[in-house]
Amino acid sequence: AQSVTQLDSHVSVSEGTPVLLRCNYSSSYSPSLFWYVQHPNKGLQLLLKYTSAATLVKGINGFEAEFKKSETSFHLTKPSAHMSDAAEYFCVVSDLLNNAGNMLTFGGGTRLMVKP
Amino acid sequence: EPEVTQTPSHQVTQMGQEVILRCVPISNHLYFYWYRQILGQKVEFLVSFYNNEISEKSEIFDDQFSVERPDGSNFTLKIRSTKLEDSAMYFCASSERQPYPMGYGYTFGSGTRLTVV
Repeated sequence: AQSVTQLDSHVSVSEGTPVLLRCNYSSSYSPSLFWYVQHPNKGLQLLLKYTSAATLVKGINGFEAEFKKSETSFHLTKPSAHMSDAAEYFCVVSDLLNNAGNMLTFGGGTRLMVKP
Repeated sequence: EPEVTQTPSHQVTQMGQEVILRCVPISNHLYFYWYRQILGQKVEFLVSFYNNEISEKSEIFDDQFSVERPDGSNFTLKIRSTKLEDSAMYFCASSERQPYPMGYGYTFGSGTRLTVV
């Protein structure tokens, strides 16, 4: 079965400093991995996705994530935080081997706070 | 940019009542989904829908739940007799095609917060 663990429920950074949101996954075969962001009163927006191509994935708004199979990790990073990055971030996995490819499994979410 | 629209944004209902949550997926999308998030818990998959039938559902999606695409534009989730534990944020999503690689074109709505009292 697939599962996702986001190691930090809350992360606080100062504007202009790097962001690191940690994610570890469990999957039986070859997962697809995603990061979604949710701003208050907004839908879940796809930031980036990994689907067995390049292990370093670049997304929107300057975010990127690196797939490390040996560590079963898919941490999200950004070199310099902006106030508008304050939101809830979800790490998500889908394992085609275990389902028809329709189901996403979400991590518990990390709330990113950005201080001026 | 096309959006998935959910109405209402917040609904309060009494325990035992039927409730219908409405979603308007993106017009050229063919696959439709419902997810929910109980306060303080993870977002959970409920059901996926394609070609006018359920393609996959989770254990949560029991006989109290049903989905329908009644008119070619709306996609609804019905809970027949609500329980207190149905209180959650319900997210609708749609995708243009079979989502492989997974997540391709998967667009979520902003959610309906259901409160059962």
